[in-house]
Amino acid sequence: DAKTTQPNSMESNEEEPVHLPCNHSTISGTDYIHWYRQLPSQGPEYVIHGLTSNVNNRMASLAIAEDRKSSTLILHRATLRDAAVYYCILRGLMNRDDKIIFGKGTRLHILP
Amino acid sequence: AAGVIQSPRHLIKEKRETATLKCYPIPRHDTVYWYQQGPGQDPQFLISFYEKMQSDKGSIPDRFSAQQFSDYHSELNMSSLELGDSALYFCASRARFLAGELFFGEGSRLTVL
Repeated sequence: DAKTTQPNSMESNEEEPVHLPCNHSTISGTDYIHWYRQLPSQGPEYVIHGLTSNVNNRMASLAIAEDRKSSTLILHRATLRDAAVYYCILRGLMNRDDKIIFGKGTRLHILP
Repeated sequence: AAGVIQSPRHLIKEKRETATLKCYPIPRHDTVYWYQQGPGQDPQFLISFYEKMQSDKGSIPDRFSAQQFSDYHSELNMSSLELGDSALYFCASRARFLAGELFFGEGSRLTVL
């Protein structure tokens, strides 16, 4: 399985943008890049996903490098509620049964 | 919108006892996943079901079993409980034909004394 590498933890000030990096140098051409997050004492929740082009939704933006070997999750204006563990996960296009395999993730701390 | 419902939310058992956790997926979701998250750890995939059949298996102990019923709800049965089984157990569901994201429940916290 293609693996991802993320920093263990990051810190950001409230109301500032946050850029969470993810390296996936062994990504295959059919792998989607998914991001999930887990707030304290809650189940994981979907954030965003993409294949090649940058993606935006109400929660975040996903910037994907041209060679697809890395990506960045962007929270445009962090709030205290965004403090969570963020997981970058690769999921195969053709495998509709694919479960989510969680790696180590990045623990994001938001400073008031 | 309806979410994934898990019950009970908290459960306390003694060693060697049996526990059963229930998961009610989002309506029209046909695939259910179970995860275990120990203290300070990341969620670990246990097992999944699609249309009432086991579709994938992860690091689930032999003491654990699970099934998906005709109404698509799922139950995780854990026997001969050990102290190390104390964890948060998450259930997730999705609609397979959409190949979309997984929706997770709030989790069931099992404490084994």
